[in-house]
Amino acid sequence: GESVGLHLPTLSVQEGDNSIINCAYSNSASDYFIWYKQESGKGPQFIIDIRSNMDKRQGQRVTVLLNKTVKHLSLQIAATQPGDSAVYFCAENGDTGKLIFGQGTTLQVKP
Amino acid sequence: DTAVSQTPKYLVTQMGNDKSIKCEQNLGHDTMYWYKQDSKKFLKIMFSYNNKELIINETVPNRFSPKSPDKAHLNLHINSLELGDSAVYFCASSQANRGTEAFFGQGTRLTVV
Repeated sequence: GESVGLHLPTLSVQEGDNSIINCAYSNSASDYFIWYKQESGKGPQFIIDIRSNMDKRQGQRVTVLLNKTVKHLSLQIAATQPGDSAVYFCAENGDTGKLIFGQGTTLQVKP
Repeated sequence: DTAVSQTPKYLVTQMGNDKSIKCEQNLGHDTMYWYKQDSKKFLKIMFSYNNKELIINETVPNRFSPKSPDKAHLNLHINSLELGDSAVYFCASSQANRGTEAFFGQGTRLTVV
């Protein structure tokens, strides 16, 4: 069946350090991937996306890497700030048309 | 200015009641969704509508009935509420039903007592 998973449920980093959040997906037909950030009491918020014809995409302080060979996705956050503390989800969009979410990783930023 | 808005934000009700959650988007998107987020933060799609037509209907009890009067609105009606229905329900919309980001509402926290 389809599944998207994250390797670690909680990631704790020091303010100013770089963060890397990982995600594994199982549907090789998925061709579009999104990272979302969810703060407490709010809905998921789009961070960055990537299509399967790319292996890297950069935004402001964030980079998404896609490795289709091993079906792995990662989100890198540079110079992590307290405001980055949230739950991060990867999501895949495949041939079913569904946007399937991973289980989420909680990022805790220590001052 | 809110792109995807859903009401109410909080809903506390007794078992057996019937309740509705409303959702509206002003983004001009063709596709709208309902997601359920459980206590472990897992987000699972329930329904998807494209131009008022149901295109995804996950294994959801038929006590849940979505209704889309127009492509800007997707409401969720729940009959005979059960304790296990307690969760946060998110409405979302996207420009197309595939390959585009989904924008989420703020969520409705449903508590069944």
